[in-house]
Amino acid sequence: GAVVSQHPSWVICKSGTSVKIECRSLDFQATTMFWYRQFPKQSLMLMATSNEGSKATYEQGVEKDKFLINHASLTLSTLTVTSAHPEDSSFYICSAGVYTGGPSGANVLTFGAGSRLTVL
Amino acid sequence: GQQLNQSPQSMFIQEGEDVSMNCTSSSIFNTWLWYKQDPGEGPVLLIALYKAGELTSNGRLTAQFGITRKDSFLNISASIPSDVGIYFCAGQLSSWGKLQFGAGTQVVVTP
Repeated sequence: GAVVSQHPSWVICKSGTSVKIECRSLDFQATTMFWYRQFPKQSLMLMATSNEGSKATYEQGVEKDKFLINHASLTLSTLTVTSAHPEDSSFYICSAGVYTGGPSGANVLTFGAGSRLTVL
Repeated sequence: GQQLNQSPQSMFIQEGEDVSMNCTSSSIFNTWLWYKQDPGEGPVLLIALYKAGELTSNGRLTAQFGITRKDSFLNISASIPSDVGIYFCAGQLSSWGKLQFGAGTQVVVTP
């Protein structure tokens, strides 16, 4: 089945540094990937849509200069948290679409295991 | 934007009991999805629904896509300890579109 891999699974960094999180589709190609952020005991909040070969589309209220997204190939998207601060500490999850060929040709999203970022 | 209301927020049940949760939306979706998330993990897809009125089962799980396309429910029958987790509904408007998530239902199963 479709597998989405995220790395690192957890990272601790000092305030002011930048952190890169990778999202890979292991056995399929993904022209579109999605990045979510999840705070404890809350739901997933979409941050941005990552499009292969073009600029990402950010949700309202998400700083594109702070959360840099690069989707350079059909199997890899990266999220870089620049100049991280403690309030950026969160669980970041990516997902990628898998075409199921179902009744409506639906795109079923598979999620990575997430990356826990802690900024000291 | 579209609002998803998921209820209940949490459920404490005894092993063997059935569980039911639902999601309602202020507007229609073309696809409803149900995910389960364990602590420290990403969501895992349980059931995908593509057509209004569709009733789909996956083992002890049963989900339905409401006729109005604005709601969906998930039932878990004969709960077991490994059913513990947070269950999320998600709606998708277009085939390659982003998901809108509900707030989640935390399920706790006691022996």
